[in-house]
Parts: sequence; structure tokens; C-alpha cells
Amino acid sequence: AQSVTQPDIHITVSEGASLELRCNYSYGATPYLFWYVQSPGQGLQLLLKYFSGDTLVQGIKGFEAEFKRSQSSFNLRKPSVHWSDAAEYFCAVGFNKLVFGAGTILRVKS
Amino acid sequence: ETGVTQTPRHLVMGMTNKKSLKCEQHLGHNAMYWYKQSAKKPLELMFVYNFKEQTENNSVPSRFSPECPNSSHLFLHLHTLQPEDSALYLCASSQDDQARNEQFFGPGTRLTVL
Repeated sequence: AQSVTQPDIHITVSEGASLELRCNYSYGATPYLFWYVQSPGQGLQLLLKYFSGDTLVQGIKGFEAEFKRSQSSFNLRKPSVHWSDAAEYFCAVGFNKLVFGAGTILRVKS
Repeated sequence: ETGVTQTPRHLVMGMTNKKSLKCEQHLGHNAMYWYKQSAKKPLELMFVYNFKEQTENNSVPSRFSPECPNSSHLFLHLHTLQPEDSALYLCASSQDDQARNEQFFGPGTRLTVL
């Protein structure tokens, strides 16, 4: 069955530390891959997307993600986290329609 | 107004009430979506409209009734809801309903069913 998994429900990092949020998918072929962010009281906003080509994708707000076909993963990274990055992050994958992961809540401690 | 707007932002209703959620997009998109976001559950796609035609109904109970009068407006009519329907209802739009298109989300309507 086609699915997307975000293994971490919560992650806490110190401000200035690096961040990696995990996303794994189970599809027969490489689907379209997205990362969205949701700040409190707001809707989701696209951070970045991957369709094909260079497996390292740059997004907004200093985020990047790397597609690894062998691991069926599309992990989101940021070298240095800011307090304003505290939010919920969603991985989304699909061919005909998007399926969203359950989300990872990021807390940033000062 | 720009982007995707939703009204009301908060709604409290009894199980016997009838209410409607409204979504409007100012992006010139042709596809619109309703999602349900419940605590500790993945975002659930409810309905998709593309060029005013419904293209997806994700086994949503009939107490939720969508309406898309044009590509810019989307409604979700609610009647005889249950307490478990309490959630954040998000509207989104995209260029068309293909998965490769970025979806733009509104801020949501926080619904509480008493």
C-alpha cells in the first residue's frame, strides 16, 4: 500500500543547532515529494518540492531536502535553526493526489 | 485580499445546527480542496474540485456537503454533525488538481461541535 511516514512526532533542538526531519514513503516508483510547514494558527506553506533531477533541493527559509531513492526517503534539513522555525512540518507525497504524513512538531529551545 | 481566505475562523455549533464554511481564493487557480486536520492524525483530504467539477470525494459522510459555484469559491455545508467532527478544516487551491502543483492553504476554520 502507498504510504508516507514521519517517524518523529516531536523534535526539540537548541537554537543554532542543525535539524533533520525524516520522511519515508512506500510507492512503486518515485512520487512527487513535498515539505510543508504550518505555524500556529495558520495554514500550510510549501517549503520545497522534488520531482526529478538534482537530489538535493533548496527551499525557502534556509531549508533543504535530499531525495534518496535507495532509502525511499526525503529528509528535510537546516544547518542552523532559528526560534521562528518552531512549527509543525509535513511531508507530502503522491502521483495523482497528495498524501500527507502525520507531521513532526519542532520545538526550539533557547 | 490575497491568497486563500476562510470564514469564519472559529465556529461552535450544536449537533442539530446547520452552518457553512466559506473559502475564497484570489490566485486564479482552477482546483480547490477541503481538508480535515484533527489532533494527532494525518491531514485528511475530503473533497477536490477541478474547474468546478468534483473530482474527489474521500468517503466523506453525507453530513458534509461541498459546493463549488465557481473556481474562486468553495463552501462546506454542515448539518447534524457529531462531536468527533470537531477539527480544523483547511481549504487549499492549486493551478489544477494534479499532484505536482503546489497547494496554497488558507488559515483554516476551527470547528467545535457540542
